[in-house]
Order: sequence, then structure tokens, then C-alpha cells
Amino acid sequence: GQNIDQPTEMTATEGAIVQINCTYQTSGFNGLFWYQQHAGEAPTFLSYNVLDGLEEKGRFSSFLSRSKGYSYLLLKELQMKDSASYLCAGMDSNYQLIWGAGTKLIIKP
Amino acid sequence: GAVVSQHPSWVICKSGTSVKIECRSLDFQATTMFWYRQFPKQSLMLMATSNEGSKATYEQGVEKDKFLINHASLTLSTLTVTSAHPEDSSFYICSARDLGTGDTDTQYFGPGTRLTVL
Repeated sequence: GQNIDQPTEMTATEGAIVQINCTYQTSGFNGLFWYQQHAGEAPTFLSYNVLDGLEEKGRFSSFLSRSKGYSYLLLKELQMKDSASYLCAGMDSNYQLIWGAGTKLIIKP
Repeated sequence: GAVVSQHPSWVICKSGTSVKIECRSLDFQATTMFWYRQFPKQSLMLMATSNEGSKATYEQGVEKDKFLINHASLTLSTLTVTSAHPEDSSFYICSARDLGTGDTDTQYFGPGTRLTVL
């Protein structure tokens, strides 16, 4: 079956670095997405990886290993506004999104 | 975990026809479901919030007469794209809130429906 696993909740300190892991099993693979969702708002696109490696975008980076079915989202220099849910979603061979349940990130001063 | 399904997965239709997309919560009840539209590698754009037994709340700029939403039961919401045109071609995603968890922030997302209007 198809499945996305990510931790339910993580806590980190303002100014620090946090890595949110995601493992996936999909029927075929057409890329992996990371979204940020603040309470009561629509998910905001953060990154899309389809090739192995690290993609850096400002304070946020995303990594993909297709052989391991693994991705992570790395957030540096954490700010209080980074407190949100982070959703990992894999796209299968039919271009359907398989969603993780989301990781609630709590940033403490 | 909570599962949300959408049907159909993809649909191709002629310009001027109407298309209905279903969103179902399979193992939980959802008084609130959301409909989003997504363009490639972009954020999900909230179109409307669907509440069971009442009228949907549409976001600014979304035509309610074009995108008809019906939330007839606690497990089913439908989005009908009326008189579809090529510019309506997009990826439509629904999500649902699980009543049972009591966590109003948690949404479970469907796999999406890819609409292509010729």
C-alpha cells in the first residue's frame, strides 16, 4: 500500500535548527512535496524534490533519497513564526498525492 | 489514520460541460471539508469551506455559481464545476476535519482530482 510517515509533533528553540523526517511508500514516484500550514490557513508550498539530493531555499532546505524512500525538511535559524504544521506529500505514478498526517512544530523562545 | 478519498482521480471533459468531484471521509465524520485548487509547484489555494447541512463559504474571487458545493452528509462533499472552460483545468484537492479528535487544526487531505478541460 501507499503510505507517508512523519513525526506527529516536534519542539525546537528559537534560533536553532530542526529536521523533520518523512518516509514514503508510493506506487511509482513523481516527486515529494513539503508544505507549511498555519492554523486556519491553506497549506503553503515549500519545496518539491524529484531527484536525489539537497535543495536549499533560504532558511529552508529539503533533501530526498529515492533509494531509501526518505526525505527531510531542514529549518535553520528558527523563528517563532515557523510554528506550524509541516506536511509531507508524495506523488505517485498517477500523479495523485499521498499525504502524511503532518508534523506540528512548536517553537519555544 | 484518517483517510480522505476523491473521485474521480482524473477527468477530461469538453468545454461547456459540468464535472462533479466527490470528496469522502472514509473512517471518520467531518462537519467541515475544504476545497482547494493547486497549480504546479504552488501553494494550495483555498476555494471554499464546506459545512455539512449549510451553505458553503467561498473565498474572495471564487464564483459560487460556477463552483457548486454540496455537503450533504458528514462523510461526503461534492464540488461541481459548471460550464467548465480550459482555464478551469487544474488539480482540485479536498480536505476534511476529523470531528472525533477535537483538534480543529488538523486536516486530512485527499489525493486530488486532475481536471482537464478541452
